[in-house]
Amino acid sequence: DAGVTQSPTHLIKTRGQQVTLRCSPISGHKSVSWYQQVLGQGPQFIFQYYEKEERGRGNFPDRFSARQFPNYSSELNVNALLLGDSALYLCASSLGDRSTDTQYFGPGTRLTVL
Amino acid sequence: AQSVTQLGSHVSVSEGALVLLRCNYSSSVPPYLFWYVQYPNQGLQLLLKYTSAATLVKGINDFEAEFKKSETSFHLTKPSAHMSDAAEYFCAVISGSTGNQFYFGTGTSLTVIP
Repeated sequence: DAGVTQSPTHLIKTRGQQVTLRCSPISGHKSVSWYQQVLGQGPQFIFQYYEKEERGRGNFPDRFSARQFPNYSSELNVNALLLGDSALYLCASSLGDRSTDTQYFGPGTRLTVL
Repeated sequence: AQSVTQLGSHVSVSEGALVLLRCNYSSSVPPYLFWYVQYPNQGLQLLLKYTSAATLVKGINDFEAEFKKSETSFHLTKPSAHMSDAAEYFCAVISGSTGNQFYFGTGTSLTVIP
């Protein structure tokens, strides 16, 4: 079975632009979470969606938004890009939203803001 | 509040030697604890997890970790290091009160010396 897939793999944007990142969960998984990993640091939680509803939001500005579609895929949108938004964006999927549900991570999207 | 601290941002071991990566957690409720590994330019792969069952947890590739409540620790060990173990290792905690949002440590980079 295919794992979590993310697109695009790499992306280069300039300050002030907007970006959309996409994530397809493992088949049958209904929960998707997004994390930001700045170089040299651990991933930081941005959003969790379960059954198309937002279940959690990390400490990120309103420039960050996300949604989950009926097929459980998800998009992360970032508006008015800043240099500090340069990072690896990871998507993780799990069957449900319980703490014991194993989360599987995708390979990430590398965003560079110039 | 939940957090993890990984002692030692860089660890070097000789091939065949014991691997010990340290993780201490802080949690106001019984935690679920995880170790993930990240190879260069890749996503996170689950090594093992503790979810309040046996305190000694065995994972993939001969890794194991022991949950010690009295020491608030969840150190990762492997009896004999292999060259392929060179990677970044992340300890993470989930609080049952916040769904399955991970709080990651800052990571430990493991170098294996031939």
